[in-house]
Amino acid sequence: EDKVVQSPLSLVVHEGDTVTLNCSYEVTNFRSLLWYKQEKKAPTFLFMLTSSGIEKKSGRLSSILDKKELFSILNITATQTGDSAVYLCAVLVQGAQKLVFGQGTRLTINP
Amino acid sequence: DTGVSQNPRHKITKRGQNVTFRCDPISEHNRLYWYRQTLGQGPEFLTYFQNEAQLEKSRLLSDRFSAERPKGSFSTLEIQRTEQGDSAMYLCASADRSSYNSPLHFGNGTRLTVT
Repeated sequence: EDKVVQSPLSLVVHEGDTVTLNCSYEVTNFRSLLWYKQEKKAPTFLFMLTSSGIEKKSGRLSSILDKKELFSILNITATQTGDSAVYLCAVLVQGAQKLVFGQGTRLTINP
Repeated sequence: DTGVSQNPRHKITKRGQNVTFRCDPISEHNRLYWYRQTLGQGPEFLTYFQNEAQLEKSRLLSDRFSAERPKGSFSTLEIQRTEQGDSAMYLCASADRSSYNSPLHFGNGTRLTVT
């Protein structure tokens, strides 16, 4: 069965700290890995990673994929209270064309 | 950019009643997905359409659940004889036809509460 596991499940830090969120996966036909941010409603797309070792960056957020070790990390530097959200990792499975999600990491940034 | 639109936003129903939700995907997105999300969990895949064809259904989807996408545009998800365990957020997502690597774009969901 396809599985995506995120850690930690919950993280509380102070504004300005740097955080690293982890995502590991076991799927039969990997196509790509995606990160989403979910505040109160719809998950919003952050990154899609298909190749190992190539960092994707957007402002203070960055992410990288290791297809050999089957994991990805999402880094957020100089965190702000607006970064508080649930961060979801998902793997797009080839053939089935569906996203398999992890449980999410609830990130809380305290001022 | 109208985004993915879902209606209603909230639905409260009594156990045993039928409910129907609607999803309008982003225009010209030919792939449409339904997911269910409960508190503290990531979204769980329910079903997937490419145009009007329903190509995959999760084994989590009981016979009480049915989804349609009759003209390959909007989709409906119906739950018959609702149970308290059906209480969840039902998310719809759509994706572009240009590449199977294009990301899914989610709607704001329909929150179902079964009393």
